Amino acid sequence: DAGITQSPRHKVTETGTPVTLRCHQTENHRYMYWYRQDPGHGLRLIHYSYGVKDTDKGEVSDGYSVSRSKTEDFLLTLESATSSQTSVYFCASGGEGQPQHFGDGTRLSIL
Amino acid sequence: EDQVTQSPEALRLQEGESSSLNCSYTVSGLRGLFWYRQDPGKGPEFLFTLYSAGEEKEKERLKATLTKKESFLHITAPKPEDSATYLCAVQAGSGGSYIPTFGRGTSLIVHP
Repeated sequence: DAGITQSPRHKVTETGTPVTLRCHQTENHRYMYWYRQDPGHGLRLIHYSYGVKDTDKGEVSDGYSVSRSKTEDFLLTLESATSSQTSVYFCASGGEGQPQHFGDGTRLSIL
Repeated sequence: EDQVTQSPEALRLQEGESSSLNCSYTVSGLRGLFWYRQDPGKGPEFLFTLYSAGEEKEKERLKATLTKKESFLHITAPKPEDSATYLCAVQAGSGGSYIPTFGRGTSLIVHP
């Protein structure tokens, strides 16, 4: 299995604070993705990366930014967290035209 | 716009009662269709990739099939440990962005 680790696994924070979620992969995959998963919505793509320093927006990118300075690391930042961003966040990686490999998620609560 | 619809949303089966999950899709040029299993508190786990109509893949009690418009995940004689949410995703061939589109999943519960 592809090694995908997310940190932290759980986080509780307050509205208005910045939050950074980390994703690390050991498979040298070119593509990395950040999703959020909410009841009734399924997996929704926030941002993705197709190479170091190459990123693009997904369908729910407002309020989020990403950075990828190394192949193995993909960071998701909530600049000023809002309660609507309470969710479970999943990171994934994959090769071209290949299935994605997912981390076990970060459960983020914003009070 | 690529679309993926999974049905039913939820399915309850008795142990040993075979059934099928459906994934209907519209995509401009299918590059691949993927099935995943997701257990509570975990990330999706890859099961199968199907690339062309007529293709079939099997793993234990699961069999995935593909037509030009839909895919089925057949579960034969399910066991309680098959309880999970099953996700389908398609990847379009045009544009080369490799961004899959996911369905909302089917939640399967198998009762002993």
